[in-house]
Amino acid sequence: SQKIEQNSEALNIQEGKTATLTCNYTNYSPAYLQWYRQDPGRGPVFLLLIRENEKEKRKERLKVTFDTTLKQSLFHITASQPADSATYLCAFRLTDSWGKLQFGAGTQVVVTP
Amino acid sequence: DVKVTQSSRYLVKRTGEKVFLECVQDMDHENMFWYRQDPGLGLRLIYFSYDVKMKEKGDIPEGYSVSREKKERFSLILESASTNQTSMYLCASSFNKRRGPQHFGDGTRLSIL
Repeated sequence: SQKIEQNSEALNIQEGKTATLTCNYTNYSPAYLQWYRQDPGRGPVFLLLIRENEKEKRKERLKVTFDTTLKQSLFHITASQPADSATYLCAFRLTDSWGKLQFGAGTQVVVTP
Repeated sequence: DVKVTQSSRYLVKRTGEKVFLECVQDMDHENMFWYRQDPGLGLRLIYFSYDVKMKEKGDIPEGYSVSREKKERFSLILESASTNQTSMYLCASSFNKRRGPQHFGDGTRLSIL
């Protein structure tokens, strides 16, 4: 079955450093991946989408890469701030899915001043 | 901005009760989804709908049903609530044919006593 995995351990990082999160997938070749941010007690909020033919995508301090050979996407938060503390989810669209997404369980990021 | 509104943020019900969770979106999206989110398990799809009166089972439909009588509204029904249905329930919507993101409500934290 199609699987998507994220590091379950929280990532603790000092303000100003770069946080790097990993999303691995198996038994699938998605045309694109999406990344979401989720704050406690809130629903996920869409951040970025990267297509299989795009190696890298940037939005402000966020950068996403997509390596179809490694079946992996990396999500970077540069110059991290305490306000970046949240859980980050990756997701890919399932085949013939009418827009269904398969989500990873998410990685919590904690940025300390 | 897309708005997905869930009828309750917190809900407490008793075992055996019939429970209705309501979700309304204001962006004319074709697709609507119901997920539950539990610690360590991530988002799991219960049901989704790609058109009015159309529905399909997700990964964990047992004990749930749905109703979509109008395009903007998608209801999740717990036919006879059980304690293992205590969870965070999230509704989302998206366009059908585009590669756009899913837009989430802020969730209903449901406790079954």
